[in-house]
Amino acid sequence: NAGVTQTPKFQVLKTGQSMTLQCAQDMNHNSMYWYRQDPGMGLRLIYYSASEGTTDKGEVPNGYNVSRLNKREFSLRLESAAPSQTSVYFCASSAAGARDNEQFFGPGTRLTVL
Amino acid sequence: SQQGEEDPQALSIQEGENATMNCSYKTSINNLQWYRQNSGRGLVHLILIRSNEREKHSGRLRVTLDTSKKSSSLLITASRAADTASYFCATRGGTYKYIFGTGTRLKVLA
Repeated sequence: NAGVTQTPKFQVLKTGQSMTLQCAQDMNHNSMYWYRQDPGMGLRLIYYSASEGTTDKGEVPNGYNVSRLNKREFSLRLESAAPSQTSVYFCASSAAGARDNEQFFGPGTRLTVL
Repeated sequence: SQQGEEDPQALSIQEGENATMNCSYKTSINNLQWYRQNSGRGLVHLILIRSNEREKHSGRLRVTLDTSKKSSSLLITASRAADTASYFCATRGGTYKYIFGTGTRLKVLA
């Protein structure tokens, strides 16, 4: 089992460019999440998907869109990148149903917007 | 911000000593979890404590929870150099959302 995979690992964009961050999990989890991590800020939730077919905004959704393509895949899109979106992005997944579910994290995507 | 806070922000100890870090949160919770993050890597789950529990152990880890004070502590006993990492608490309320603290950077000196 690969767990949670993310692509790409690194990306440099110019202001105004668009890109999609890909995430996939092979644990048959229902819930998936996108976070950003900035120095001194911990992790902040961008969007989450409680189950296939549903998505909801987290704490910092502005400037992002998501797609829950199927149960395995949850992508994050930046339509017009801004320097403020320079960050490390983590995808995570968890089982649903029971309340006591840990999250499993991918290795992260380090994004720089010039 | 909904984020919890961890204290201290950074901690440096000698190998073999105990490390204690604290987490405070703002809302009512179903459970509280602790995660470890090694430099440049994703987070890894360490331990979960439910809102009706006061203390939990797992190997060298001991977690306490005080819901009246909205706080938790993580104790790592007999620290090793390999414990060097950042540690985050995460709380879950009645939704699918997890709220993470700002983290404690632990450095264990050999």
